[in-house]
Amino acid sequence: DAGVIQSPRHEVTEMGQEVTLRCKPISGHNSLFWYRQTMMRGLELLIYFNNNVPIDDSGMPEDRFSAKMPNASFSTLKIQPSEPRDSAVYFCASTDSGTGGGKPQHFGDGTRLSIL
Amino acid sequence: AQSVTQLDSQVPVFEEAPVELRCNYSSSVSVYLFWYVQYPNQGLQLLLKYLSGSTLVKGINGFEAEFNKSQTSFHLRKPSVHISDTAEYFCAVSDQGTGGFKTIFGAGTRLFVKA
Repeated sequence: DAGVIQSPRHEVTEMGQEVTLRCKPISGHNSLFWYRQTMMRGLELLIYFNNNVPIDDSGMPEDRFSAKMPNASFSTLKIQPSEPRDSAVYFCASTDSGTGGGKPQHFGDGTRLSIL
Repeated sequence: AQSVTQLDSQVPVFEEAPVELRCNYSSSVSVYLFWYVQYPNQGLQLLLKYLSGSTLVKGINGFEAEFNKSQTSFHLRKPSVHISDTAEYFCAVSDQGTGGFKTIFGAGTRLFVKA
């Protein structure tokens, strides 16, 4: 079975440019999470969706960050304009929470973002 | 509110020695507990989980964890580690909140196995 698919795997861009990260969750999963991982701050939850609806975006750093989930099989995380401090590994994860708790999250391999 | 504390940021250990990675949690409701492993340049993978029942949970790669409700702990153990166990390990807790289940991850423990 295909796991969570993220693209691109690596992105290098200049400060001020728009960056779009993409995620395809596992088919049938109804919850999707975006995380950011850095050495200094560890793994941070940015936002999560349940049934395509954003439930908690309190982890989104500022208005430069936005996330959408137009359908059950696709989500994007956008940074506009990007800044060097946004450099990190961004992970997408999905799970099936429709029938109760205790379901583990399945992670993609991440997008390594470098803003010059 | 949930929280997870991993008591050690780094654990160096020699190959074939036993290891314990410590995790304490807090939550006001019943919880589900997880350990994940992250190898370099990869996402997190599930090692094991506790939902209910037996407090000793066995996972992949010879790891096991014990749920202790009175001490609110969920420590991860392996009796004999291999070089290939070098990775970062995350403890996580999940309970039901508004709109669904949210998981809180600890800061991670970096296990370094030396030859």
